[in-house]
Amino acid sequence: QVQLVESGGGVVQPGGSLRVSCAASGFTFSTSGMHWVRQTPDKGLEWVAFIRYDGGSIDYADSVKGRFTISRDNTDNTLYLQMNSLRVDDTAVYYCARGAQAIDFWGQGTLVTVSS
Amino acid sequence: QPVLTQSSSASASLGSSVKLTCTLSSGHSSYIIAWHQQQPGKAPRYLMKLENSGSYNKGSGIPDRFSGSSSGADRYLTISNLQSEDEADYYCETWDTNARVFGGGTTLTVL
Repeated sequence: QVQLVESGGGVVQPGGSLRVSCAASGFTFSTSGMHWVRQTPDKGLEWVAFIRYDGGSIDYADSVKGRFTISRDNTDNTLYLQMNSLRVDDTAVYYCARGAQAIDFWGQGTLVTVSS
Repeated sequence: QPVLTQSSSASASLGSSVKLTCTLSSGHSSYIIAWHQQQPGKAPRYLMKLENSGSYNKGSGIPDRFSGSSSGADRYLTISNLQSEDEADYYCETWDTNARVFGGGTTLTVL
């Protein structure tokens, strides 16, 4: 069955860096567009970034542009989000999600807390 | 960039039906949307993709009680024969060339 398993969340100080990963299985990862979406209690769901199946097209939300980098390894079926210059308001549950049009599958999420 | 507007809350009785609304901003009334359900403490789950024609495609395992429809800029999610497990947050989603947006979500309470 389709599975997306995030890992790498944790506590980091403001200005710090963190990389979260998403291991995919049960579907053809190399032909699937993938997203990172985050959620906070007050802001709801916020799209963060998208990467096309081959990595040839990447988009970011304005709130993370220049600080976050999405990437993928199609030989290892893994999606990554490198987060630099982290701010307190980046604190959220980060979900990886599949979909080139509608998001049609979500991972279980990993919590990133930015705090001093 | 499109904006999606949802009512913050809704309620309906066990066994009854409820219709949730997601409204697309001006100039975006033809956009396709998706509906997602998030039960308390869980990750979101994809329910369906819904076109402006009213045609919809549900995700795997989504009960027949869930259906979609459209009228102009409004996209609807109807849940029939409400069950206790339907108590959840419901989000709509749409996308443009370089961005993706979510509505603020509707919290559904089953009475």
